Amino acid sequence: EVQVLESGGGMVQPGGSLRLSCAASGFTFRSYAMSWVRQAPGKGLEWVSGISGSGGSTYYADSVKGRFTISRDNSRNTLYLQMNTLRAEDTAVYYCAKDADTTTICCNWFDPWGQGTLVTVSS
Amino acid sequence: DIQMTQSPSSLSASVGDRVTITCQASQDISNYLNWYQQKPGKAPKILISDASNLKTGVPSRFSGSGSGTDFTFTVSSLQPEDIATYYCQQYHSLATFGGGTKVEIK
Repeated sequence: EVQVLESGGGMVQPGGSLRLSCAASGFTFRSYAMSWVRQAPGKGLEWVSGISGSGGSTYYADSVKGRFTISRDNSRNTLYLQMNTLRAEDTAVYYCAKDADTTTICCNWFDPWGQGTLVTVSS
Repeated sequence: DIQMTQSPSSLSASVGDRVTITCQASQDISNYLNWYQQKPGKAPKILISDASNLKTGVPSRFSGSGSGTDFTFTVSSLQPEDIATYYCQQYHSLATFGGGTKVEIK
């Protein structure tokens, strides 16, 4: 079964840092682009960042560019999101999602999604 | 950046009703448009890709159409289990989601 499972969320003060992880299983991880999508409490979905299968190409939403870094370790089947200089508006559930197509660098449609990990930025 | 405008933001309909949601892109995105369903407390689930391609296992009462800038998502006969929020997403340029449509039973 194709699965992705996020971890690493928690509460952090404004200006702080946090690293999220996403463990993948059930598919050839290195062959697929991956993305992070977030959802603030009671709000809609916002694509945050994507990375190609090789890790050689990365993409960011303007709202996080320069503060967040996406990376992957294909030997560990794991995706990461390093979040620095966190702000209150970064408070959200962060989902890891597998891109659907091996031919794309990023992005296509996302399937499956993990269950999400909550990040709360508050003093 | 491509903006996606989804409407309505919420709707209330009776079981068996036909429900339609629209999504408008700020520029031509061809058919690079997907639809997701998100039930409360759950992760989103892909229903339709490439504007009209129903994913495996998704009931046939769901359908999508459109190309260019204007897209439509339809539930032909609303069922109680369809209560959810629905999102469109473009992938012509990276990814952008619409604001969502919350569907409730009247």
